[in-house]
This record gives sequence, structure tokens and C-alpha cells, in this order.
Amino acid sequence: GQQVMQIPQYQHVQEGEDFTTYCNSSTTLSNIQWYKQRPGGHPVFLIQLVKSGEVKKQKRLTFQFGGAKKNSSLHITATQTTDVGTYFCAGPGRDSNYQLIWGAGTKLIIKP
Amino acid sequence: SQTIHQWPATLVQPVGSPLSLECTVEGTSNPNLYWYRQAAGRGLQLLFYSVGIGQISSEVPQNLSASRPQDRQFILSSKKLLLSDSGFYLCAWSVLPGLPSYEQYFGPGTRLTVT
Repeated sequence: GQQVMQIPQYQHVQEGEDFTTYCNSSTTLSNIQWYKQRPGGHPVFLIQLVKSGEVKKQKRLTFQFGGAKKNSSLHITATQTTDVGTYFCAGPGRDSNYQLIWGAGTKLIIKP
Repeated sequence: SQTIHQWPATLVQPVGSPLSLECTVEGTSNPNLYWYRQAAGRGLQLLFYSVGIGQISSEVPQNLSASRPQDRQFILSSKKLLLSDSGFYLCAWSVLPGLPSYEQYFGPGTRLTVT
């Protein structure tokens, strides 16, 4: 079945270092979405990418959608403690626009 | 603006007891509604989704059921809880396909511990 794979599962960084999470879909996606879940909280929508090769920025966060619309990445420059949480990517289901197929998430941990 | 409510925030229930979790959405009409479960430290598992009143699609066979008695109300139920039902239950809504985007918006969730 359709899958969205996300790596790494965890990433430990020192505050100020960069962070990147990668998302790969088994099928071409019409769009890809990114969400952030703070510890103890619920997922919050960050952004949606629609176009092949699209790059969007939100302050220190850079989101990219691959040319084949099967992969995506989220890069955070100079991490801060407020960036801690789990980042999920998700894409529409091939058989149903009502569903999202979710990656397993990448947990960003800031080393003390 | 749209708001999604879930209650209760936390719940501790014994094995074999019934369950009812409620989710309501304000500020939108005809939303798609979703129930997810998240085990500790894990990803999101879609349990049910609904595109309209009385329309429920189940993704995972289990002892849970869902109902949508009103346009903006979504209920998750169980007649007899199992230990494996413990987790973080999240309700979400999205706009209908055909619009430019249909990202999902989540409620605050219910942490269920079955003892």
C-alpha cells in the first residue's frame, strides 16, 4: 500500500545547530504537508507544498518539495529550544482525498 | 475562526468498561472529521473518518466505533475497553476536497489510560 517514510526517527542536536528531516513517498503526491507536535501537545499544521521543486520558508524553517513530487524535507537553521518536538510529514491518500498518509515523525531533541 | 473541542482531556478507565469521547467543531460547516490514536512516542494511526452526518469509514478493525450524529459532532465509543486501547486520542477536521488545500486541524486530545 501507499507509504510515507520519514527519517531519521530521532535527532539530537546542540542548541544552535541545524536540523533536517526527510520524507519519502512511495507514490507521487499532489501536495505534502508538514506538522509539528510539541511534547504533550497535538499536531499543528505548519505548511503545505504543492508545486514540483517548491521551496518555502518560515523564518528559520525551510521546506522543499522534490521535483518528482515524491520527497520533501524540512530544514531548521540554528535550532532553538522552542523548536523541540516531533515533526510529521503527510500526503493525500492515492485512493482518497479525504485521508492523509502520515510519516512516522522525526523527534527533535535539544541536548542540554 | 474555527475551533475544535475535545473532552475529557485525560481519562483513566478499567478494562472492560465503556468509553465515549466527544469532539465538536465550531466555525465551519460540512467538515471532514477524523479520529486518530497515537501510542506513546509513536506516529498517528487513523481510526475513523467521516465526510458527513451518519457517514463513517473505519480504517482499522478494533473494538472501537464512531458516530456522527450532527454535522460538527464526532463521537468515539467502545463497549468494552482493552489494555491496548490506551493512548492519545486526537480528533481533527479538514475542509472538503476541491478547495486549494485540506490540511487537518487537531483538537487538544484525550489521554486514555486503561488499567
